[in-house]
Amino acid sequence: QSVLTQPPSVSGAPGQRVTISCTGSSSNIGAGYDVHWYQQLPRTAPKLLIYGNNNRPSGVPDRFSGSKSGTSASLAITGLQAEDEADYYCQSYDSSLSCWVFGGGTKLTVL
Amino acid sequence: EVQLMDSGGGLVQPGGSLRLSCAASGFTVSSNYMSWVRQAPGKGLEWVSVIYSGGSTYYTDSVKGRFTISRDYSKNTLFLQMNSLRVDDTAVYYCAKLLAGGWYEDGYFDFWGQGTLVTVSS
Repeated sequence: QSVLTQPPSVSGAPGQRVTISCTGSSSNIGAGYDVHWYQQLPRTAPKLLIYGNNNRPSGVPDRFSGSKSGTSASLAITGLQAEDEADYYCQSYDSSLSCWVFGGGTKLTVL
Repeated sequence: EVQLMDSGGGLVQPGGSLRLSCAASGFTVSSNYMSWVRQAPGKGLEWVSVIYSGGSTYYTDSVKGRFTISRDYSKNTLFLQMNSLRVDDTAVYYCAKLLAGGWYEDGYFDFWGQGTLVTVSS
């Protein structure tokens, strides 16, 4: 059971907008630690998608955006494309565990 | 261009040992925070260990006393020595560069290796 909770799966049609939630607690997201997001395409290593809650690394399309409020964070993907089909993970730090923690991952299916 | 190349995985019996390597290019391992992150088959990501630029090391509770993270300046390579391996250590192990600004707690993994599979089974 992951410290950060994500829905196991989400889906959307091409062109639509989807959001993926990441729910934590007062010892991680609620404590003010940054949230970061990763995209893992099938059979590949994770890739940094969003850092520092809402910043995109160079090369990541502006269709991807992040937000954070209270003990939760969200990843939004607009203009859904077939190539977005992947697993998505949120990550933060937990002061009780004294380590970096990940969400359980969300599988995005493009219908 | 930053590149990380993981190697050293394989099949090992419970109680055995394995040493993973992560050869880096495009940056200096010893000047950065470096981590190992693992992913059990069909499961999510789990942080395993970190070595800071100053040399301090930290581990997730389940591997403390069994795993040792280290680095070689001359080879620009990160290592993970894994002893007393258990079946639940079976996973793909990724080395990752950890980038942190003012607070290490707000760090994130900006570059990843391709991963190396460790299978612990009799």
